[in-house]
Amino acid sequence: DAGVIQSPRHEVTEMGQEVTLRCKPISGHNSLFWYRQTMMRGLELLIYFNNNVPIDDSGMPEDRFSAKMPNASFSTLKIQPSEPRDSAVYFCASSFPGTGGFTEAFFGQGTRLTVV
Amino acid sequence: LAKTTQPISMDSYEGQEVNITCSHNNIATNDYITWYQQFPSQGPRFIIQGYKTKVTNEVASLFIPADRKSSTLSLPRVSLSDTAVYYCLVGAEGKLIFGQGTELSVKP
Repeated sequence: DAGVIQSPRHEVTEMGQEVTLRCKPISGHNSLFWYRQTMMRGLELLIYFNNNVPIDDSGMPEDRFSAKMPNASFSTLKIQPSEPRDSAVYFCASSFPGTGGFTEAFFGQGTRLTVV
Repeated sequence: LAKTTQPISMDSYEGQEVNITCSHNNIATNDYITWYQQFPSQGPRFIIQGYKTKVTNEVASLFIPADRKSSTLSLPRVSLSDTAVYYCLVGAEGKLIFGQGTELSVKP
Protein backbone atom coordinates (compact mmCIF):
# COMPACT_ATOMS: atom_id res chain seq x y z
CA ASP A 1 0.00 0.00 0.00
CA ALA A 2 1.24 3.49 -0.82
CA GLY A 3 0.21 4.85 2.54
CA VAL A 4 -2.03 7.82 3.19
CA ILE A 5 -2.02 10.03 0.12
CA GLN A 6 -2.68 13.74 0.34
CA SER A 7 -3.01 16.25 -2.43
CA PRO A 8 -1.86 18.78 -3.24
CA ARG A 9 1.48 18.81 -1.40
CA HIS A 10 1.66 22.57 -1.63
CA GLU A 11 -1.06 25.13 -2.17
CA VAL A 12 -0.72 28.88 -2.46
CA THR A 13 -3.93 30.82 -2.75
CA GLU A 14 -5.24 34.31 -2.32
CA MET A 15 -7.34 35.37 0.60
CA GLY A 16 -11.00 34.78 -0.04
CA GLN A 17 -10.52 31.85 -2.38
CA GLU A 18 -11.88 28.38 -1.74
CA VAL A 19 -9.33 25.70 -0.92
CA THR A 20 -9.94 21.96 -1.06
CA LEU A 21 -7.51 19.49 0.43
CA ARG A 22 -7.80 15.83 -0.43
CA CYS A 23 -6.94 12.61 1.35
CA LYS A 24 -6.94 8.95 0.39
CA PRO A 25 -6.65 6.75 3.49
CA ILE A 26 -5.03 3.35 3.58
CA SER A 27 -7.35 0.65 2.29
CA GLY A 28 -9.10 -1.16 5.14
CA HIS A 29 -8.70 1.66 7.64
CA ASN A 30 -11.97 2.82 9.12
CA SER A 31 -10.88 5.91 11.05
CA LEU A 32 -9.70 9.12 9.40
CA PHE A 33 -8.31 12.22 11.06
CA TRP A 34 -7.60 15.76 9.83
CA TYR A 35 -4.97 17.78 11.68
CA ARG A 36 -3.55 21.27 11.33
CA GLN A 37 -0.02 22.10 12.42
CA THR A 38 1.47 25.53 13.06
CA MET A 39 4.43 26.71 15.09
CA MET A 40 2.19 28.58 17.48
CA ARG A 41 -0.48 25.94 18.12
CA GLY A 42 1.26 22.67 17.35
CA LEU A 43 -0.75 19.72 16.04
CA GLU A 44 -4.46 20.35 16.37
CA LEU A 45 -7.10 17.72 15.67
CA LEU A 46 -9.75 19.28 13.48
CA ILE A 47 -12.13 16.40 12.89
CA TYR A 48 -12.20 12.65 12.83
CA PHE A 49 -14.39 10.13 11.04
CA ASN A 50 -15.23 6.55 11.91
CA ASN A 51 -16.73 4.42 9.14
CA ASN A 52 -17.18 7.56 7.03
CA VAL A 53 -19.25 9.28 9.73
CA PRO A 54 -17.96 12.44 11.45
CA ILE A 55 -17.58 11.56 15.12
CA ASP A 56 -16.05 14.71 16.55
CA ASP A 57 -15.66 18.01 14.74
CA SER A 58 -15.14 20.13 17.84
CA GLY A 59 -11.68 21.09 16.58
CA MET A 60 -12.94 22.71 13.40
CA PRO A 61 -12.07 26.35 14.00
CA GLU A 62 -14.91 28.08 12.19
CA ASP A 63 -17.82 27.56 9.83
CA ARG A 64 -15.43 28.36 7.01
CA PHE A 65 -14.02 24.86 7.50
CA SER A 66 -15.91 21.78 6.38
CA ALA A 67 -14.93 18.16 5.90
CA LYS A 68 -16.56 15.28 4.10
CA MET A 69 -15.95 11.60 3.67
CA PRO A 70 -18.26 10.38 0.90
CA ASN A 71 -16.75 6.89 0.92
CA ALA A 72 -14.11 4.80 2.66
CA SER A 73 -11.38 5.80 0.24
CA PHE A 74 -11.69 9.56 0.04
CA SER A 75 -12.03 12.62 2.24
CA THR A 76 -11.87 16.36 1.67
CA LEU A 77 -11.23 19.35 3.88
CA LYS A 78 -12.55 22.58 2.46
CA ILE A 79 -11.88 26.16 3.55
CA GLN A 80 -14.19 28.79 2.15
CA PRO A 81 -13.28 31.62 2.19
CA SER A 82 -9.63 31.19 3.07
CA GLU A 83 -7.75 33.67 5.24
CA PRO A 84 -4.02 34.24 5.86
CA ARG A 85 -4.32 32.78 9.37
CA ASP A 86 -5.33 29.47 7.81
CA SER A 87 -1.77 29.08 6.55
CA ALA A 88 -0.45 25.84 8.03
CA VAL A 89 0.43 22.26 7.24
CA TYR A 90 -2.65 20.07 7.11
CA PHE A 91 -2.23 16.36 7.81
CA CYS A 92 -4.58 13.51 7.16
CA ALA A 93 -4.18 10.23 9.06
CA SER A 94 -5.97 6.90 9.05
CA SER A 95 -6.09 3.91 11.38
CA PHE A 96 -7.63 0.43 11.47
CA PRO A 97 -9.78 -1.28 14.07
CA GLY A 98 -7.94 -2.57 17.10
CA THR A 99 -8.61 -4.57 20.21
CA GLY A 100 -7.91 -1.73 22.58
CA GLY A 101 -5.92 1.37 23.09
CA PHE A 102 -4.93 3.64 20.29
CA THR A 103 -4.44 1.74 17.12
CA GLU A 104 -1.49 2.89 15.07
CA ALA A 105 -2.37 5.92 12.96
CA PHE A 106 -0.59 6.47 9.68
CA PHE A 107 -0.07 10.02 8.53
CA GLY A 108 0.18 11.45 5.07
CA GLN A 109 2.93 13.78 3.95
CA GLY A 110 0.76 16.80 4.57
CA THR A 111 -0.41 19.75 2.51
CA ARG A 112 1.40 23.02 3.11
CA LEU A 113 -1.17 25.76 2.64
CA THR A 114 -0.19 29.39 2.21
CA VAL A 115 -2.89 32.01 2.00
CA VAL A 116 -1.66 35.40 0.83
CA LEU B 1 -8.62 12.60 27.82
CA ALA B 2 -5.69 12.54 30.21
CA LYS B 3 -3.40 15.56 30.03
CA THR B 4 0.27 14.87 29.43
CA THR B 5 3.34 16.85 30.43
CA GLN B 6 6.76 16.32 28.90
CA PRO B 7 9.94 18.39 28.62
CA ILE B 8 9.90 20.89 25.81
CA SER B 9 13.40 20.03 24.63
CA MET B 10 16.33 17.72 25.27
CA ASP B 11 19.87 17.51 23.98
CA SER B 12 21.95 14.39 23.55
CA TYR B 13 25.04 13.09 21.78
CA GLU B 14 25.39 10.29 19.31
CA GLY B 15 25.64 6.87 20.91
CA GLN B 16 23.96 7.85 24.15
CA GLU B 17 20.76 6.44 25.55
CA VAL B 18 17.97 8.99 25.74
CA ASN B 19 15.08 8.78 28.17
CA ILE B 20 12.07 11.06 27.75
CA THR B 21 9.58 11.04 30.59
CA CYS B 22 5.93 11.94 30.27
CA SER B 23 3.63 12.68 33.20
CA HIS B 24 -0.04 11.73 33.02
CA ASN B 25 -1.39 11.93 36.55
CA ASN B 26 -5.07 11.51 35.64
CA ILE B 27 -4.71 8.50 33.36
CA ALA B 28 -7.85 6.37 33.28
CA THR B 29 -8.06 2.62 33.73
CA ASN B 30 -8.73 2.00 30.05
CA ASP B 31 -6.10 4.38 28.75
CA TYR B 32 -3.05 3.28 26.82
CA ILE B 33 0.19 5.22 26.45
CA THR B 34 1.45 5.82 22.95
CA TRP B 35 4.49 7.64 21.57
CA TYR B 36 4.88 9.22 18.16
CA GLN B 37 7.91 10.70 16.41
CA GLN B 38 7.85 13.57 13.95
CA PHE B 39 10.64 14.67 11.65
CA PRO B 40 10.59 18.12 10.05
CA SER B 41 8.25 18.35 7.07
CA GLN B 42 6.76 14.92 7.76
CA GLY B 43 3.71 13.59 9.52
CA PRO B 44 4.04 11.91 12.92
CA ARG B 45 5.01 8.26 12.99
CA PHE B 46 3.97 5.67 15.58
CA ILE B 47 6.87 4.44 17.74
CA ILE B 48 5.50 2.33 20.56
CA GLN B 49 2.47 1.72 22.76
CA GLY B 50 1.99 0.15 26.16
CA TYR B 51 -0.42 -0.30 29.05
CA LYS B 52 1.81 -1.30 31.95
CA THR B 53 5.31 -2.54 32.83
CA LYS B 54 7.73 -2.59 29.92
CA VAL B 55 7.31 -2.83 26.18
CA THR B 56 10.18 -3.12 23.73
CA ASN B 57 10.35 -3.10 19.96
CA GLU B 58 13.10 -2.67 17.40
CA VAL B 59 13.09 1.09 17.83
CA ALA B 60 12.52 1.87 21.51
CA SER B 61 11.46 0.72 24.94
CA LEU B 62 8.60 2.05 27.00
CA PHE B 63 8.72 1.84 30.78
CA ILE B 64 5.50 2.28 32.75
CA PRO B 65 5.52 2.15 36.57
CA ALA B 66 2.83 0.37 38.52
CA ASP B 67 0.80 3.53 39.21
CA ARG B 68 0.87 4.41 35.50
CA LYS B 69 1.05 8.11 36.29
CA SER B 70 4.13 8.52 34.14
CA SER B 71 5.97 6.73 31.38
CA THR B 72 9.48 6.84 29.95
CA LEU B 73 10.42 6.41 26.33
CA SER B 74 13.93 5.04 26.02
CA LEU B 75 15.92 5.36 22.80
CA PRO B 76 19.11 3.27 22.87
CA ARG B 77 22.27 4.62 21.25
CA VAL B 78 20.76 7.56 19.44
CA SER B 79 22.11 8.82 16.14
CA LEU B 80 21.82 12.16 14.38
CA SER B 81 18.79 10.83 12.52
CA ASP B 82 16.87 10.52 15.79
CA THR B 83 16.65 14.31 15.97
CA ALA B 84 12.91 14.86 15.97
CA VAL B 85 9.92 15.82 18.10
CA TYR B 86 8.55 13.05 20.31
CA TYR B 87 4.93 13.08 21.43
CA CYS B 88 3.35 11.22 24.33
CA LEU B 89 -0.37 10.46 23.99
CA VAL B 90 -2.68 8.92 26.55
CA GLY B 91 -6.17 7.62 25.92
CA ALA B 92 -8.30 4.79 24.67
CA GLU B 93 -9.84 4.25 21.27
CA GLY B 94 -10.91 7.35 19.49
CA LYS B 95 -9.38 10.66 18.70
CA LEU B 96 -5.64 11.21 19.00
CA ILE B 97 -4.76 14.41 20.84
CA PHE B 98 -1.15 15.58 20.57
CA GLY B 99 0.49 17.75 23.21
CA GLN B 100 3.47 20.01 22.70
CA GLY B 101 5.99 17.19 22.38
CA THR B 102 9.67 17.02 23.26
CA GLU B 103 12.15 18.32 20.72
CA LEU B 104 15.17 16.03 20.85
CA SER B 105 18.39 17.30 19.37
CA VAL B 106 21.18 14.78 18.85
CA LYS B 107 24.63 16.24 18.36
CA PRO B 108 27.75 14.59 16.94
